[in-house]
Order: sequence, then C-alpha cells, then structure tokens
Amino acid sequence: NAGVMQNPRHLVRRRGQEARLRCSPMKGHSHVYWYRQLPEEGLKFMVYLQKENIIDESGMPKERFSAEFPKEGPSILRIQQVVRGDSAAYFCASSPDQGGWNTQYFGPGTRLTVL
Amino acid sequence: AQSVTQLDSQVPVFEEAPVELRCNYSSSVSVYLFWYVQYPNQGLQLLLKYLSGSTLVESINGFEAEFNKSQTSFHLRKPSVHISDTAEYFCAVTSGNQGGKLIFGQGTELSVKP
Repeated sequence: NAGVMQNPRHLVRRRGQEARLRCSPMKGHSHVYWYRQLPEEGLKFMVYLQKENIIDESGMPKERFSAEFPKEGPSILRIQQVVRGDSAAYFCASSPDQGGWNTQYFGPGTRLTVL
Repeated sequence: AQSVTQLDSQVPVFEEAPVELRCNYSSSVSVYLFWYVQYPNQGLQLLLKYLSGSTLVESINGFEAEFNKSQTSFHLRKPSVHISDTAEYFCAVTSGNQGGKLIFGQGTELSVKP
C-alpha cells in the first residue's frame, strides 16, 4: 500500500506566479488535510477536505489560497500570485474512511521557494 | 481551544543516554495524542499515539510515551538513544471528533552526539 504521495517535491516560483501542489491520499483514505510548515515553526493546519467537499478551511489565508479534492484525481492546493512569505513546506495528510479515522498519515511534502 | 506546548526547542544528548522530550497540552474536551518524527528534509512519520486504554504507549524503535490526564502531559522517553534518533519530534493533539485537525507543538530538535 503506497503512502501519501505529493508532487512536486520541490517547486520554485517567482513572485506573482501561481503554485499548484498535488496530493494523492493512501488507498482507502478519503479524508485529506493540508498543513504548512514555515521556517523555524511547527506545522499549522490549513484545510480539511473529503471527496468534492471542503469540511474545514479555518486555517486557510483568506486570499490567494484555495483547495479542492475532486471526485477523480488528487487533491490540489493552489496559491495564486505567490509572495516571498509563501515560501514554506506544505504537507498533505490522509486518514482512513473507516477504523482509524483519527490517525493522519503524512506525505513527504512540497517545498515551495518563492524568488 | 486546544494547544500544545513542547517545553524544549533543542535537546542535545550523548549516544546511549536516556532522553525525555516534554509535551503538555490544553483542551476542554477529550483528546487523542500523537508523536511524529521528522528527519531532515522529509515528511512526518507517526511514532506513536494514544487513543484510549493503557496510558503507556510504545513504538517499535524503543520510544514510549505516557498519557497523564491530571498533568495534561504526554512526554516522550527513550532509555538509550542512538545517533539515528537525531531528528525533530512533534507532539500533536486532536479532538475526538471525526476529521479533527491536528494541533502541533513547536517541535523539539533531538541531537544525539557520539
């Protein structure tokens, strides 16, 4: 059973460009979470999604950030018009549909650098 | 609101020495508690978790943590560390509700020296 997959692993963007980060959850998991890790800080929750639904987006910045988890395909975290302060590691986690829903498994992360 | 405090940002120890990484939480509801480990430039790996039952939980690589409800703590311990244990360790809490987000501490950097 493959783990949580994220791509790209590293992403470089110039200020004003768009960044798209992808996350494929583990097989049998339909719950996806996104977290951001800023330099020298812990992880902060951004958004929680199930298939085709955003359940909790209380940690998402109000502007430029959006997330989706379509019926088919990976979850996407999209950052429009990136700024230097968006440079961080973005981690995706997934949890099972049944039994063990309270345990989240993390992907390797996408490290975004904004020039 | 829930919060997690990891009392030590850095813990340097010598190989084969015991170590304790401290974690305290605050919550008004029942919680589940986790320790994750992050090796340099990698993602987080689940080390161990407390959901219910026995308050002492163990990992496969010799770490253990004890849930202490009265002291609201979930300290991580290992009796004898190895160089390979050098990493950052994160304590996290979530509520008992399905889909609950994880609240993380700031992390403790464990550095094991020969």
